[in-house]
Amino acid sequence: GQNIDQPTEMTATEGAIVQINCTYQTSGFNGLFWYQQHAGEAPTFLSYNVLDGLEEKGRFSSFLSRSKGYSYLLLKELQMKDSASYLCAYGQNFVFGPGTRLSVLP
Amino acid sequence: GAVVSQHPSWVICKSGTSVKIECRSLDFQATTMFWYRQFPKQSLMLMATSNEGSKATYEQGVEKDKFLINHASLTLSTLTVTSAHPEDSSFYICSVPILSDEQYFGPGTRLTVT
Repeated sequence: GQNIDQPTEMTATEGAIVQINCTYQTSGFNGLFWYQQHAGEAPTFLSYNVLDGLEEKGRFSSFLSRSKGYSYLLLKELQMKDSASYLCAYGQNFVFGPGTRLSVLP
Repeated sequence: GAVVSQHPSWVICKSGTSVKIECRSLDFQATTMFWYRQFPKQSLMLMATSNEGSKATYEQGVEKDKFLINHASLTLSTLTVTSAHPEDSSFYICSVPILSDEQYFGPGTRLTVT
């Protein structure tokens, strides 16, 4: 079976750091994706992890632990424009998590 | 520039009518395209996988006779919502998988059925 979970909502302050967690259970694994989606728009690709560990890409980093079925997206130096939904997804057919709505406050 | 386009970007139709949504891959030949549906404040739900030259593969719970998919060429897939009802009002998004690492999403089509 397939199951993927994320917190529904998070709030953080401009300039701060926030970590968005994603847990999953799957019988097969092809890598873990993170997407950002602003309201009314299509998702945009942020990161892809297929091996364990942390991958850093500017202000955004993504971590994966395959043995624990766990990933997180780390956002540093938060900006107002980072207010969006963040979706994790896995699988060849891209099973998406419920998404985390992040609100960045001034 | 855009890799995947959708048309129309938004549509309003009356209950009982049919609506066709086009998804075009602009830079890649796509033997496979994905169709997703997203209700307000919810995540994307995969509806079906569109296969060029063969029948689409539908996810469990998606009515294939209601959501007709035609993948006529390597750059075009269409989704037709037949006999639309207000509960079909949603954001429909297509995507094109690029190799095995990533998907490029279309801008989405917002369907409102009155």
